[in-house]
Amino acid sequence: SQKIEQNSEALNIQEGKTATLTCNYTNYSPAYLQWYRQDPGRGPVFLLLIRENEKEKRKERLKVTFDTTLKQSLFHITASQPADSATYLCALGSNDYKLSFGAGTTVTVRA
Amino acid sequence: DAGVTQSPTHLIKTRGQHVTLRCSPISGHKSVSWYQQVLGQGPQFIFQYYEKEERGRGNFPDRFSARQFPNYSSELNVNALLLGDSALYLCASSWEGNSYNEQFFGPGTRLTVL
Repeated sequence: SQKIEQNSEALNIQEGKTATLTCNYTNYSPAYLQWYRQDPGRGPVFLLLIRENEKEKRKERLKVTFDTTLKQSLFHITASQPADSATYLCALGSNDYKLSFGAGTTVTVRA
Repeated sequence: DAGVTQSPTHLIKTRGQHVTLRCSPISGHKSVSWYQQVLGQGPQFIFQYYEKEERGRGNFPDRFSARQFPNYSSELNVNALLLGDSALYLCASSWEGNSYNEQFFGPGTRLTVL
């Protein structure tokens, strides 16, 4: 069955550093991968989409890579700020309108 | 513009009862999806509706049902509640022609089953 794994440990980093989150998957061939941010008690907010034929996407201080051979996506937050503290979710999708989410990685940025 | 709205915000039910959760999508969005998020886990896909038709269904029992109305709002119904149904229920909408399924989520309904 499909399995999506994100960093098992929470990530604590110093302000200004780069946070790198991983999303690994098995038994799945997604057509695209998305990253969302979720704050406590709120719904997820869409951040970035990367398609299966794309290697890298950037948006402001965010960068996503997608390696379909390794079955892995990396999500980078550069020049991190305390306001970046949240849980980050990866989600995989194909042509069946279902999004499959990982459990998320909690990031805390210390001032 | 208003985002996705959900009601109620919180709900407490007892085992065996029935619950109805409501969702209004972003204006202009015709697709509504429902997700269940248990504490410490990611959202799990339950249903997607588009133009009042079910377009996708996740691995949930038949106790879960949904429908979409002509104004594109949606209801999620859960019968014979179990303790394990306690979760945050998220509704998300997306626009027509959104091939990559970018979801706009509401704040969720927190359901507690006692």
